[in-house]
This record gives sequence, structure tokens and C-alpha cells, in this order.
Amino acid sequence: NAGVTQTPKFQVLKTGQSMTLQCAQDMNHNSMYWYRQDPGMGLRLIYYSASEGTTDKGEVPNGYNVSRLNKREFSLRLESAAPSQTSVYFCASSEGAGSEKLFFGSGTQLSVL
Amino acid sequence: EDQVTQSPEALRLQEGESSSLNCSYTVSGLRGLFWYRQDPGKGPEFLFTLYSAGEEKEKERLKATLTKKESFLHITAPKPEDSATYLCAVQAWETSGSRLTFGEGTQLTVNP
Repeated sequence: NAGVTQTPKFQVLKTGQSMTLQCAQDMNHNSMYWYRQDPGMGLRLIYYSASEGTTDKGEVPNGYNVSRLNKREFSLRLESAAPSQTSVYFCASSEGAGSEKLFFGSGTQLSVL
Repeated sequence: EDQVTQSPEALRLQEGESSSLNCSYTVSGLRGLFWYRQDPGKGPEFLFTLYSAGEEKEKERLKATLTKKESFLHITAPKPEDSATYLCAVQAWETSGSRLTFGEGTQLTVNP
């Protein structure tokens, strides 16, 4: 049972480049999330999808877009990367309907030069 | 605005030396308080959910408690494998979905 799978694990971008972070879960969860983790800032919510077909902004959505492709997959896109987006990105999922037991992927370490 | 403050930032213990981690929170109406464990290079792993003041939950050497203003994660006779960063998070009743506000974490090191 893979749980939450994120790709890639590492990525280096130049300022202005674009990329998409992929996330898939195999637990039949309804809700999916994208967080970023920075030293001294803790985990901050970027976007979430409470159920298939819906997406909502979190605490720090600027510079990002998301797509809930189907129930399993939730992608995060950086259209024009900036050095401030250097971070570790985590995808997570939960059963939904108020269940807050989040299952996290192993993260993507992104550096924007 | 919901706020979570964890202390200390880092804690070093000898194997078998019990201690506690603190999570102080400010939230308009607490729906739940959560503890996660994070190992280096990995995503956080769920430990506990506490819903009301006075509630306690245990798992192996860990016990989480909750008051109206803070939560403690008590570690009894820790082992080196307990070394990790422990994260606290809160959810308020008015937030939709599972929007959690996380603290910065306490980095625990247990020396053999």
C-alpha cells in the first residue's frame, strides 16, 4: 500500500520557469492538500480539495495553481517560479467529512535559483 | 487568527530521561488539536487527536494531554528511536475542510 506518492522528490528551477508537482493517493480519500514547509514558519496550507471537483485557497495560495484531476490525483503548478517559492512541498490526503487525520507524502524539495 | 506556539524548539534527552513538550494555542473555537511526528526527509505522521479539555491519549511511550490553552506531549523513558520533530496543529470550528494551523515543531534528540 503506497499511501500518498509525490513526484519528483527533488527539483531545481531557474526563476521564471514553470513546473508541476504531482500527487496521487491510493486510499480512496476524498480530501487532498498541498502544504509548504519552511524553516521557522511551520507547515502552511497552499490549496486544498475537499472533494473531487472542488478546490479552495489556503493560507499562502499566491503564485500557485492546482488541479484535482480525479479522486486520486491532485497536482500543484508553479507558473513562473520565484526564489521565495524555494521550500519543501508536501501533499496530504484525508477521508474528508471532517476527518483531520492527514496522511502525508514524503515531500518534494524545490530550489528556485 | 489561529496561532500555535511550540516549546522548546529543540530538546536533547538521555535514553530513559522523561520530559514534556508544550503546545500553546489560540483559536476562536477549538475543533481539534493534533500531534504529528516527522522524521528527517519524510512527511509528518499522525499521532493523536484531542477534542476537549481534560482528554488524554496514549501510544507506547507517548501521552498527549489537553487544557483550554495548551497541550503537552509527555515522553516517558524515551529511546533513541523517539528522536524526531514533533508537530502540533489546531483546527477551529469555523474553518472548512481539514484546514490545520501548525506550530513550528520541537526537535527531539534522544541519546543512547
